[in-house]
Amino acid sequence: EAGVAQSPRYKIIEKRQSVAFWCNPISGHATLYWYQQILGQGPKLLIQFQNNGVVDDSQLPKDRFSAERLKGVDSTLKIQPAKLEDSAVYLCASSSDFSRANYGYTFGSGTRLTVV
Amino acid sequence: AQKITQTQPGMFVQEKEAVTLDCTYDTSDPSYGLFWYKQPSSGEMIFLIYQGSYDQQNATEGRYSLNFQKARKSANLVISASQLGDSAMYFCAMRETTSGTYKYIFGTGTRLKVLA
Repeated sequence: EAGVAQSPRYKIIEKRQSVAFWCNPISGHATLYWYQQILGQGPKLLIQFQNNGVVDDSQLPKDRFSAERLKGVDSTLKIQPAKLEDSAVYLCASSSDFSRANYGYTFGSGTRLTVV
Repeated sequence: AQKITQTQPGMFVQEKEAVTLDCTYDTSDPSYGLFWYKQPSSGEMIFLIYQGSYDQQNATEGRYSLNFQKARKSANLVISASQLGDSAMYFCAMRETTSGTYKYIFGTGTRLKVLA
């Protein structure tokens, strides 16, 4: 099966600019996650979708971050305006929940964002 | 509140020897899952092994085994016969069930360096 696709792979922007990341999960995976991984740290959950509904966005900085999964398939994460501390790798993951619970997530390759 | 703790920021091991990476967790959820992921320098997160909270036996996957001590709330990863390709970051993660879906929390990671 095809993996989780993410684009772009790298992005460099100036602070106060906006940026968007795209993720296409594995076909049939109902749950999609966006994680932020700052250098030297573990991934931190930003938002979790179940189909096209939001399950958890408690750690999403809603004043500048937004995400959508309109048709319950692919998803976009946006930052506007970006700050220096947003420099991180943004990882997308998907899972089919209970049917393959013991196999964990499948992660995409991530988007490395540098804010200068 | 959930918590995953990895107390070893970095570890060295000689090639062909075994190494144990520590992970402790804290949860009030009686049903949970514990995972280990490998993150090489390329950045992708690779699922290694899973242990369910009700599993009676320790999980094993090839050279990876999980030393699960439920009473002590620890889930240490054991890598046998280390190889140079095992050099990477390793993350412990815990899954809880929330609103009918899974939510994962990651530890801060351990950087493993295998020496020739």
